[in-house]
Amino acid sequence: NAGVTQTPKFQVLKTGQSMTLQCAQDMNHNSMYWYRQDPGMGLRLIYYSASEGTTDKGEVPNGYNVSRLNKREFSLRLESAAPSQTSVYFCAGDLGGRETQYFGPGTRLLVL
Amino acid sequence: AQSVTQPDIHITVSEGASLELRCNYSYGATPYLFWYVQSPGQGLQLLLKYFSGDTLVQGIKGFEAEFKRSQSSFNLRKPSVHWSDAAEYFCAVSTWGADGLTFGKGTHLIIQP
Repeated sequence: NAGVTQTPKFQVLKTGQSMTLQCAQDMNHNSMYWYRQDPGMGLRLIYYSASEGTTDKGEVPNGYNVSRLNKREFSLRLESAAPSQTSVYFCAGDLGGRETQYFGPGTRLLVL
Repeated sequence: AQSVTQPDIHITVSEGASLELRCNYSYGATPYLFWYVQSPGQGLQLLLKYFSGDTLVQGIKGFEAEFKRSQSSFNLRKPSVHWSDAAEYFCAVSTWGADGLTFGKGTHLIIQP
C-alpha cells in the first residue's frame, strides 16, 4: 500500500498562475483533508471532505478550491496564486469519526 | 472553539537525557489527543494518541504521553533521547463538531551530542 500520496513534491509558480495539487489514498479513507504548514504556525486546515461528494471550508479557505473526484482522490486548486500561498501543503485522510489521520509527504510550493 | 498550546518553541536536550514536551488544550469536553512527529522535509508521523481509558498511553519509538484532565494537558515524554529524535513535534486535538485536527504550533527538538 502506498498510503497517502501527493504530487508534485515541489513547485514554483509566478504570481497569478494556477495549479492543482493532487492527493490520492489507498487506505479506504472516508474523509480527506488539505492543510497548509507555515513556519511558527503549525498546520491549518484549508478544506476537507467528510465523504465522497462533499466538501467544506476549513480555517483558511480563501484563494483555494477543492474537488473530491472519487473516494480515493482529493485535489486542491489555486486559481490565481499569490506569494502568501507560499507554503508546504499536506493532504491527509482518515476513516471518519475522529479517527487517526494519516498524512502524505507534502508539496512544497513557492510563489514568486 | 478548541485550541492547542505548545509553550516551548525550541527545546535542546543532551543525547541520553530525558525529555518532556508540553501540550495544553482548550475544549469543554474530553478531546481526542494526538502527538505527531515531523522529520526535516518529511510528512507527519503519528507517535501516539489518546481516545479514552488509561491516561498513560504508549507510542512508537519509546515515547509515552499522559492525559491530565484537571490540567488540560497531554505532555509527551521519553526517558532517554537519541540523536534521531531531533525533529518537530506537534500536538493536535480532534473534537466533536469540528472536522479536521487543530494543531499546536509545534516544538522544535534539538539533540546535543
